Amino acid sequence: AQTVTQSQPEMSVQEAETVTLSCTYDTSESNYYLFWYKQPPSRQMILVIRQEAYKQQNATENRFSVNFQKAAKSFSLKISDSQLGDTAMYFCAFMKPYTGANSKLTFGKGITLSVRP
Amino acid sequence: KAGVTQTPRYLIKTRGQQVTLSCSPISGHRSVSWYQQTPGQGLQFLFEYFSETQRNKGNFPGRFSGRQFSNSRSEMNVSTLELGDSALYLCASSFGQGGQTQYFGPGTRLLVL
Repeated sequence: AQTVTQSQPEMSVQEAETVTLSCTYDTSESNYYLFWYKQPPSRQMILVIRQEAYKQQNATENRFSVNFQKAAKSFSLKISDSQLGDTAMYFCAFMKPYTGANSKLTFGKGITLSVRP
Repeated sequence: KAGVTQTPRYLIKTRGQQVTLSCSPISGHRSVSWYQQTPGQGLQFLFEYFSETQRNKGNFPGRFSGRQFSNSRSEMNVSTLELGDSALYLCASSFGQGGQTQYFGPGTRLLVL
C-alpha cells in the first residue's frame, strides 16, 4: 500500500519570505501522480499544484513550485513571497496510475502553515 | 463553471439515526469520490463512483454506502450513526478516471451526539 509522510506538523514563516514544506511517499509504482492541496480555515480543499511522475520537469504555479525527486521519493512544495492568505493546512497526496478501478487519493497527515505579518 | 457543491453544509444527528449527504460535481465531470476527514485519522477514502458504478471502496463498514445518478450527482448514506462518525465529509469530482485531478467541494460537517 502507498503511504505519504509529512513529518513536520507545523511551520511558521514571515510574510514575503520563502518556505518549503516536505513530503515523502512510498510506492512500488513507476508512474503515478502527486498533488499538493491547501485547506484554509474555511475547510475548502483547494488544489495547489500537480506533478506527473513521468515528467522530469518540476511543476510550477505562480508562487508555488515543487522539488520532485523521484529516486528519493520526495515531493516538497516551495512557496515564494508568502502571503497572509497562504495560512492553511497543506496536504501532500498520491494517486496510483489508473488500473481500471483505482483513482483514489492517499493523503499525508498535513502540515499547518502560519504566515506572520 | 460552478464548483463542486455539497448539501447540507452542517448536520447534527443523534446516535442510531441515519444521514444522507449530497454532492453535485462540476458540470461535465463524471467521477465522484468521497473522503472522511477527522482529527485523529486524517483524510480517508470512502468510495468512488464513475458512470453510476462504484469503482472503488475504502476500508469502511457497510453502514457507509453511496450511489451516483445519471446526471453524475452522488449521495452517500450512513446508517446507524455512531459518535465516531462525526467528521467532515468531502466530495471531489474529476472529469474521468486515470490520474485526473480531483476538485473538492466545501464539505459537510456532521456531528453525531
